[in-house]
Amino acid sequence: QVQLQQSGPGLVKPSQTLSLTCAISGDSVSSNTAAWNWIRQSPSRGLEWLGGTYYRSKWYNDYAVSVRSRITINPDTSENQFSLQLISVTPEDTAVYYCARVSYSRGSFDYWGQGTLVTVSS
Amino acid sequence: DIQMTQSPSTLSASVGDRVTITCRASQSISGWLAWYQQKPGKAPNLLIYQASSLESGVPSRFSGSGSGTEFTLTISSLQPDDFATYYCQHYTSHSYTFGQGTKLEIK
Repeated sequence: QVQLQQSGPGLVKPSQTLSLTCAISGDSVSSNTAAWNWIRQSPSRGLEWLGGTYYRSKWYNDYAVSVRSRITINPDTSENQFSLQLISVTPEDTAVYYCARVSYSRGSFDYWGQGTLVTVSS
Repeated sequence: DIQMTQSPSTLSASVGDRVTITCRASQSISGWLAWYQQKPGKAPNLLIYQASSLESGVPSRFSGSGSGTEFTLTISSLQPDDFATYYCQHYTSHSYTFGQGTKLEIK
């Protein structure tokens, strides 16, 4: 059974960097049949896919156009986890952030983390 | 970018009712269409993938269909546990888009 456990601060100051980590159990971040993603949810934006990382003989990243200039998602094979960094945050980045696995044979998010409410405020 | 529009935004129904939620794409899409159920304070839960395939462990009263630009999620006989918000999601070329959600309420 795949489990995703999120960690990271719930409060970030404007203009600073939002950082979250998602620890994977029951699968590998280096899996050739999955991708590891970050999604956020807010009342104003609904569910918004932010980006993901995956391994297919080498590492790849995909990012949403809306955050492409500010986002980095990195795998950590030694800890079997992946991380999200979002720079220069504003109050509009306030949301519940989820990590989630995509099974490539399904094109859908079959396992999710528990969610982290991140508030951007001074 | 392809936009996904769900209807209705809110649906009131009773236990035992058959309900249908529609998801329309702004242009014709392949069958990479999924449906999720979300309850307050929880992450979304995958119900249907590839438009009509039932995720393991999901009750058979849930079904999905559609092609082209119009897809539907049907619950054949509503149970008390089904009152939640439902989302469609499309995958294309390394990008994922969600619908805005349909809240299913008790009448």
